[in-house]
Amino acid sequence: QTVVTQEPSVTVSPGGTVTLTCASSTGAVTSGYFPNWFQQKPGQAPRSLIYNSDKRHSWTPARFSGSLLGDKAALTLSGVQPEDEADYYCQLYAGGAQVMFGGGTKLTVL
Amino acid sequence: EVQLVDSGGGFIQPGQSLRLSCTPSGITFGDNGVSWVRQAPGKGLEWVSFIRGRRYGGTTEYAASVKGRFTISRDYGRGIAYLQMNSLKIEDTGVYYCSRVEMTTMAVDYWGQGTVVTVSS
Repeated sequence: QTVVTQEPSVTVSPGGTVTLTCASSTGAVTSGYFPNWFQQKPGQAPRSLIYNSDKRHSWTPARFSGSLLGDKAALTLSGVQPEDEADYYCQLYAGGAQVMFGGGTKLTVL
Repeated sequence: EVQLVDSGGGFIQPGQSLRLSCTPSGITFGDNGVSWVRQAPGKGLEWVSFIRGRRYGGTTEYAASVKGRFTISRDYGRGIAYLQMNSLKIEDTGVYYCSRVEMTTMAVDYWGQGTVVTVSS
């Protein structure tokens, strides 16, 4: 059973840059895991930000970027805005019924 | 407005059944896949089930925690996806979200607003 690990909480100052990561217990996260990143604010449904490691959806602000960083998937926020305070989840797909979410990162903008 | 509309949630006793629906508005599922994801109160997201587009065989996948109890399906004529949940347990309580999945990139794009399922005696 693959476990996907994210930082539980991260704090960033407005205007700053922060990178959230997504690691797999079975080894390196590659593009073959089709990493997705989602943002969820309290009381709201998740919103899709990034797919296929580094592709933005048409609605995703340019300050959000995805990448593969070493053996992890990463989500970088540049020029953080107060409205970016939210929970962020990564999702990996390893084929078949292997669809896994990370535990989520609570991003605080302070 | 482009959206997925989740419905069918409710308050139900352990052992009973419920059927959730996911209806697209302003978009269609087409050959895309559909996933159901749930979130227990105060917890993170948990993948529940996935059905591939008809062009990809329409095959289904389930998380181990629901396999044998839940069934995902699609009405291709009406363009609606369903999640039939049988033998419900207290630990199935949560908000259930459907989402659309593009099959070649496994991109999750649109999400429903969620429907609340409460299993309690």
